[in-house]
Amino acid sequence: DQQVKQNSPSLSVQEGRISILNCDYTNSMFDYFLWYKKYPAEGPTFLISISSIKDKNEDGRFTVFLNKSAKHLSLHIVPSQPGDSAVYFCAASGSAGNMLTFGGGTRLMVKP
Amino acid sequence: GAVVSQHPSRVICKSGTSVKIECRSLDFQATTMFWYRQFPKQSLMLMATSNEGSKATYEQGVEKDKFLINHASLTLSTLTVTSAHPEDSSFYICSALRQGGWPEAFFGQGTRLTVV
Repeated sequence: DQQVKQNSPSLSVQEGRISILNCDYTNSMFDYFLWYKKYPAEGPTFLISISSIKDKNEDGRFTVFLNKSAKHLSLHIVPSQPGDSAVYFCAASGSAGNMLTFGGGTRLMVKP
Repeated sequence: GAVVSQHPSRVICKSGTSVKIECRSLDFQATTMFWYRQFPKQSLMLMATSNEGSKATYEQGVEKDKFLINHASLTLSTLTVTSAHPEDSSFYICSALRQGGWPEAFFGQGTRLTVV
């Protein structure tokens, strides 16, 4: 049973517009969430995180929103750039020291 | 940010031989490291959790005798694919967990294994 789901396998956005990537989770014990970006043939790199005590965290063009009641988080990228084209994974953790549970990933394509 | 080095980045080996992949945390100690495998157009699949000084914990369906994991020090974990077959060809990624406050996983660059 997938505890972390990214229901959209791909997303295509025009350069300059907003990209919204979604992630849903089922385990109510998750309290820390991360987004990773992955280019082909490379390891994922950390992008942004949020703990359950917050509902929003912002870092430059990237903002992560957390809706605990809906068990849903989203990553907003604005404005989107062609270099943002990659696969984005959300991940969740139950407590410090626990392993991360990954979603299936969403492939973002930003068209010039 | 923290750096995790994975080596080699690419390896081609003959069927039946063994291949060792190294994962090093360069600027922090990692009692826990993870090994993932990614098939084309699919998500990262956790293979095993490696804990320093103890046996690795393998995910269901992962053969522990085929994928040998050793975590002998706080900065190094190795994955050895034994008696490799073409179906073992894949992209393998390690990550090291930095403790202290919230967990943060840093990933290696990945290893593209091709078994011919």
